[in-house]
Amino acid sequence: AAGVIQSPRHLIKEKRETATLKCYPIPRHDTVYWYQQGPGQDPQFLISFYEKMQSDKGSIPDRFSAQQFSDYHSELNMSSLELGDSALYFCASSERAGGRDEQYFGPGTRLTVT
Amino acid sequence: AQKVTQAQTEISVVEKEDVTLDCVYETRDTTYYLFWYKQPPSGELVFLIRRNSFDEQNEISGRYSWNFQKSTSSFNFTITASQVVDSAVYFCALYLGGGGSNYKLTFGKGTLLTVNP
Repeated sequence: AAGVIQSPRHLIKEKRETATLKCYPIPRHDTVYWYQQGPGQDPQFLISFYEKMQSDKGSIPDRFSAQQFSDYHSELNMSSLELGDSALYFCASSERAGGRDEQYFGPGTRLTVT
Repeated sequence: AQKVTQAQTEISVVEKEDVTLDCVYETRDTTYYLFWYKQPPSGELVFLIRRNSFDEQNEISGRYSWNFQKSTSSFNFTITASQVVDSAVYFCALYLGGGGSNYKLTFGKGTLLTVNP
């Protein structure tokens, strides 16, 4: 079965640089979520999109922005990167309209800021 | 506000032992969903089970079983005859749904399970 695809899997950036993470949800899933997991931490919700509109917002820094495109893929844009942004970034997708709220996670993008 | 507590930070067992991971949740909503995810050393989050607040029936899937008790706000996870491949961090999570900021998963801090041969 198709899973959530994230790219890149690993990314190394320097402070003050920008990064773009991409997420391709499971086909027919209408909702995308972004989570950030720091070292030894639990995943923290950043933002979500339902049918290409922003749905919910969590603890996402103003330096970050995201959007969902017409093909339902999503991108998380991160600017002015800081050392503290080093984390595992997960994208998850679900079929909210169908009432099936299980969020299936992608393999994550490991961002290292040096 | 919702909260998930996994009091056990780390558990270490020997292969073939049974182990139970505890999860206690807090929410004022009457409709909610509870999840368990497994995060092996490779880092991905693997969905294990979803339970809604109206279904207190316990579930068994192979060596895994889940005990949901609304009276104690607990959703515990038992692995029977543990194996080395079960070594991972296990997260319990709560999801409200229903609009607003409720569509996010709220995770517990996780329990690191180490199964020794």
